[in-house]
Amino acid sequence: GDSVTQMEGPVTLSEEAFLTINCTYTATGYPSLFWYVQYPGEGLQLLLKATKADDKGSNKGFEATYRKETTSFHLEKGSVQVSDSAVYFCAAGGSGANSKLTFGKGITLSVRP
Amino acid sequence: DVKVTQSSRYLVKRTGEKVFLECVQDMDHENMFWYRQDPGLGLRLIYFSYDVKMKEKGDIPEGYSVSREKKERFSLILESASTNQTSMYLCASSLGGGRRGAFFGQGTRLTVV
Repeated sequence: GDSVTQMEGPVTLSEEAFLTINCTYTATGYPSLFWYVQYPGEGLQLLLKATKADDKGSNKGFEATYRKETTSFHLEKGSVQVSDSAVYFCAAGGSGANSKLTFGKGITLSVRP
Repeated sequence: DVKVTQSSRYLVKRTGEKVFLECVQDMDHENMFWYRQDPGLGLRLIYFSYDVKMKEKGDIPEGYSVSREKKERFSLILESASTNQTSMYLCASSLGGGRRGAFFGQGTRLTVV
């Protein structure tokens, strides 16, 4: 089945630092790829997505590019803020009508002032 | 906006009780999912449903059952709650499978004592 691997955490950065969170996937076919964010005490929110190779998803200053050749979808942000402190999940979604989302284990990001 | 609503934010139950977690979505989505979230393990799929009265086992169905009598409502049932089912439970819905991503409820933190 599909699987998603995220880099180990947690990650602690200073405000305005550059962020990269690595994500790789294995899947049959061509899945859609997603980054979800979970703020403390809340459910998951979709942050960005990409549906085909070389697509770039972006939102709130975050970006990720669907790299088919390296089966990766790394999340980046040029300058993090304290409000970005959250848990980030990478996910892959299959192509069938009854397919499901497969998630990575998530990584906790803490940004200090 | 799509809304996925879980009936409780926090729940405390005793070992051996039968527990019902309710989830309602308001966007006529065919697919609904139940995940549990545990530190270091990420999100694990318990059950999903792609139509009324249809259900599929996810990765960790043991000790759980589900019910989907109406399209908008998907219930997770713990037949006899145990302490190892203490966790955060997340419901999600999607239109047409994993490829389109999913919308999540706010989560139910269940404690079994």
